[in-house]
Amino acid sequence: EAGVAQSPRYKIIEKRQSVAFWCNPISGHATLYWYQQILGQGPKLLIQFQNNGVVDDSQLPKDRFSAERLKGVDSTLKIQPAKLEDSAVYLCASSFGGPFYNEQFFGPGTRLTVL
Amino acid sequence: DQQVKQNSPSLSVQEGRISILNCDYTNSMFDYFLWYKKYPAEGPTFLISISSIKDKNEDGRFTVFLNKSAKHLSLHIVPSQPGDSAVYFCAATGANSKLTFGKGITLSVRP
Repeated sequence: EAGVAQSPRYKIIEKRQSVAFWCNPISGHATLYWYQQILGQGPKLLIQFQNNGVVDDSQLPKDRFSAERLKGVDSTLKIQPAKLEDSAVYLCASSFGGPFYNEQFFGPGTRLTVL
Repeated sequence: DQQVKQNSPSLSVQEGRISILNCDYTNSMFDYFLWYKKYPAEGPTFLISISSIKDKNEDGRFTVFLNKSAKHLSLHIVPSQPGDSAVYFCAATGANSKLTFGKGITLSVRP
């Protein structure tokens, strides 16, 4: 079974530039998550999708971050414009979904460096 | 406000010995706890979990203990192996199924 795929794996940009990350979840997984992991911290949930609807985006900085999950499969996370403090690893995860906790499977992440 | 705390940033143990990784939480609404393991350049992978109705869960060399009154859990690895060297994250969830992670602890197992 293929795991969660993410691209690119690494990205270096200047501050105020834009960047986009892509995630392809495990086939059949209804729930998709984007996490931000700053160096020395644990992953922090940015946004959670159930199929193509947003379940929780309470910690997403909506003035600069946006995410979409068209057709309830792939997802894209965008930052526009980027700030120095956005330097982090962006992790995508997916799970079967449902009312109770289901194991989340994580992708390898995209390491973003903002200069 | 950190709801899941892993106060020790690192731990070094000898191969064959026991590794004990600790985690504390503050939110009494958490009812399910997990440990994730992360190697460099990879995403976290699920290791073991425990429900709040239990105080112990075992899976091979890995055992998680939960002390609800102290809001404390620990992961025991016996015996420790060099391949166990990684970052270990404690995580907790409640009714909203949202995972809250600790900062992680780097375990080094010396051959």
